[in-house]
Amino acid sequence: DSGVTQTPKHLITATGQRVTLRCSPRSGDLSVYWYQQSLDQGLQFLIQYYNGEERAKGNILERFSAQQFPDLHSELNLSSLELGDSALYFCASSVYPGGHSHGEQYFGPGTRLTVT
Amino acid sequence: LAKTTQPISMDSYEGQEVNITCSHNNIATNDYITWYQQFPSQGPRFIIQGYKTKVTNEVASLFIPADRKSSTLSLPRVSLSDTAVYYCLVGDTGGFKTIFGAGTRLFVKA
Repeated sequence: DSGVTQTPKHLITATGQRVTLRCSPRSGDLSVYWYQQSLDQGLQFLIQYYNGEERAKGNILERFSAQQFPDLHSELNLSSLELGDSALYFCASSVYPGGHSHGEQYFGPGTRLTVT
Repeated sequence: LAKTTQPISMDSYEGQEVNITCSHNNIATNDYITWYQQFPSQGPRFIIQGYKTKVTNEVASLFIPADRKSSTLSLPRVSLSDTAVYYCLVGDTGGFKTIFGAGTRLFVKA
């Protein structure tokens, strides 16, 4: 158990809908990272927040948005869902502010999103 | 961002030592090298991190030559449960982006 929690574990929704994925980082970790993993794309970095502020942006679509709240939990909002958005979405946390040059990221169990 | 190159897949037998090499020719002075392990449908798990020479922990060793253009993850006496994808990452202190490459699929046979 990494100490990172993600809800829900599974989500099935229809195209065009909007969903929210939630992540609670390990106690004491200020950074939260979001990743998307689909079968044909591998693990793709989406976005990082550090202590409530956006720190880095990766391959995140404009239909997706995220935020980190004062209690440090984070939410990833996915809207106008398409079939291709079906994937595993992982959240990770770290005590460090940037990248992984210093220390590791702890990954949650993921949310499996299925868009039908 | 420093790009990494790893073998796509490797096979081994239980009890053998496995060495997975990662090439990172454009590694920057301040970059660390980090390895993660991922099982199907689970999040990646940190294995080891190093900057230069050799680092060892309870599960693996990491060898980094003086030029730091490559690194080798060494898994001693692998078991069936070590079958997983192994990712090599190189940090970029400027970009704050985390780039996972395709990884190496290790298959351990009995």
